[in-house]
This record gives sequence, C-alpha cells and structure tokens, in this order.
Amino acid sequence: NAGVMQNPRHLVRRRGQEARLRCSPMKGHSHVYWYRQLPEEGLKFMVYLQKENIIDESGMPKERFSAEFPKEGPSILRIQQVVRGDSAAYFCASSLSGPGSGANVLTFGAGSRLTVL
Amino acid sequence: KNEVEQSPQNLTAQEGEFITINCSYSVGISALHWLQQHPGGGIVSLFMLSSGKKKHGRLIATINIQEKHSSLHITASHPRDSAVYICAAGADGLTFGKGTHLIIQP
Repeated sequence: NAGVMQNPRHLVRRRGQEARLRCSPMKGHSHVYWYRQLPEEGLKFMVYLQKENIIDESGMPKERFSAEFPKEGPSILRIQQVVRGDSAAYFCASSLSGPGSGANVLTFGAGSRLTVL
Repeated sequence: KNEVEQSPQNLTAQEGEFITINCSYSVGISALHWLQQHPGGGIVSLFMLSSGKKKHGRLIATINIQEKHSSLHITASHPRDSAVYICAAGADGLTFGKGTHLIIQP
C-alpha cells in the first residue's frame, strides 16, 4: 500500500503557464481533499471530491483553478495562467469514508511544491 | 478572529517534559483533527476525534464539544517530537489553526 501519491513533487512554471498536480489516493479511498499552504502560512482547504463529483469547492479561487476526480485515474488540480501568488505547497489527502462518518481519518500525500517564476 | 485558534504558537521544552497544545474553535464540526508537519513538510494525521479522548503511544488528544476546545498532550517528550502540530476542525472543508512550532531540546 503506497499511501497517497502526489506528483510532481516539485513543479516550476513561468507566469501564464498551466500547472497540473496529480493525486492518487490510498487504495480503496474514494474521498479526496486538496489543501494549499502558502509560504509562512497555514493550510487552507480548497476542494473535496468523491469519485466523479465535486462535493465542496468553497475554498477554490473562483478563477483559473479547477479540480477533478475521474472514475479512472488520479485526482487532478489544474491551475491555468499561473501567477506568482500561486507559488505554494499543494497537499492532497484521502479518506475511506466522508466527513461526518466518524471514520474519515485523513492520509496525506507528501505535497507538490509549485514555484511560479 | 481565526475560527481555529491554537496556543502556544511556539514552544520550546526539555526532553522528558509533558507538553500540552491547545485548540479552540468556533466552526461547526463533525470531527477535529490533530496533524503533525515535519520540517521536511510532510503531514501525518495523528488523531481524528469527535468526542472524549484518544491515546496513541505517548500522544493523547481530548476534546470538549460543549466548550469547543481540544488539547494535544505529549508525555515524556523527545527531540524527535519536534515538529509543527496543527489543529483542524470542520466538516467537509477543514479550517486549520496556524500551528504550534514545538522544539524539544535534548
């Protein structure tokens, strides 16, 4: 069991390019969460997805950011036309069951560190 | 005011000391999480609790739902416990505290 796998671990983009971050949840987990940690700041919730559905995207910026979790394959966080302020660590976590179930222990990936030049 | 407040922000202690980190929250929750973030950046989930008390090794977490307060205790602290400890509360979307930077000196 490889845990939550995130890739790439480090990504460098120039302003205006697109960034795609991937997250493969733990085997058997169908709930995925994305968080952002800006330099010297705390973690912030971005989006919660279950297979093929976005459950809660209240933490996602309104523009340029999107997330998906297709039936097959990893969850993807996509940032279009990146700006310097997007530079951050993006963490993915997965859980076996959803919030409120009493059993949604989170397993975190190692994070993807995006640097925008 | 932050919806999840942790204290202290920074804590330096000697090896062997009993450590307490506090977390107060104002958001509605289905569960409260304690996380540990290592200097390299990796995050480990320590506890998820919605009532009472949980213990894992030298770590103990308690929560008082009525007072909206949780504590994380470390007994017989060790330098390898040095990390940032983060409290997170909420339902679908967690709200995170700013973290407590803990340093245990040998």
